Amino acid sequence: GQNIDQPTEMTATEGAIVQINCTYQTSGFNGLFWYQQHAGEAPTFLSYNVLDGLEEKGRFSSFLSRSKGYSYLLLKELQMKDSASYLCAPMDSNYQLIWGAGTKLIIKP
Amino acid sequence: GAVVSQHPSRVICKSGTSVKIECRSLDFQATTMFWYRQFPKQSLMLMATSNEGSKATYEQGVEKDKFLINHASLTLSTLTVTSAHPEDSSFYICSARGRETEAFFGQGTRLTVV
Repeated sequence: GQNIDQPTEMTATEGAIVQINCTYQTSGFNGLFWYQQHAGEAPTFLSYNVLDGLEEKGRFSSFLSRSKGYSYLLLKELQMKDSASYLCAPMDSNYQLIWGAGTKLIIKP
Repeated sequence: GAVVSQHPSRVICKSGTSVKIECRSLDFQATTMFWYRQFPKQSLMLMATSNEGSKATYEQGVEKDKFLINHASLTLSTLTVTSAHPEDSSFYICSARGRETEAFFGQGTRLTVV
């Protein structure tokens, strides 16, 4: 079956760094997306990895290891506005996004 | 990035009535559109996938006669919730994909059935 595993909730301090891990099992693989979702809003795109390695985009970086079925999202210099849910969504062989429940990130001053 | 516009953002309707939600890709041609619903603190649940000009493919457990999806053009898909009931109250989100792999999301529609 297809499965996504992320921590349910994480807490971090403003200005710090946090890493949100994601392990996945899918039928085929066509890349992995990370989305940010604030409460009551639709998800917004953060990153897309299709090859192994680290993709850096400003304060956010995303890493992928296809052989391990593993990805992480790294957030640096945390700001209060980063409090949101972070969704790891791999894409299967049918180009369907597979969604987990996401990780709720709480930023404290 | 590409823009997907979803309308309305909020709607309150009476039980038994129908509600139509529109999803438009504003600056690209959406060959595939996806409709999701999301309950509070839960993950997005794919309801159906629609390709322009063809019938939508519904996920298991989603009533196609209740959730009517039309994808008549490359820039517009609609979801109609027919004979809505309070249990249909949810957050409905569309996303659209063109030639590229990435799918872009609309703003979502908060449906409340009273």
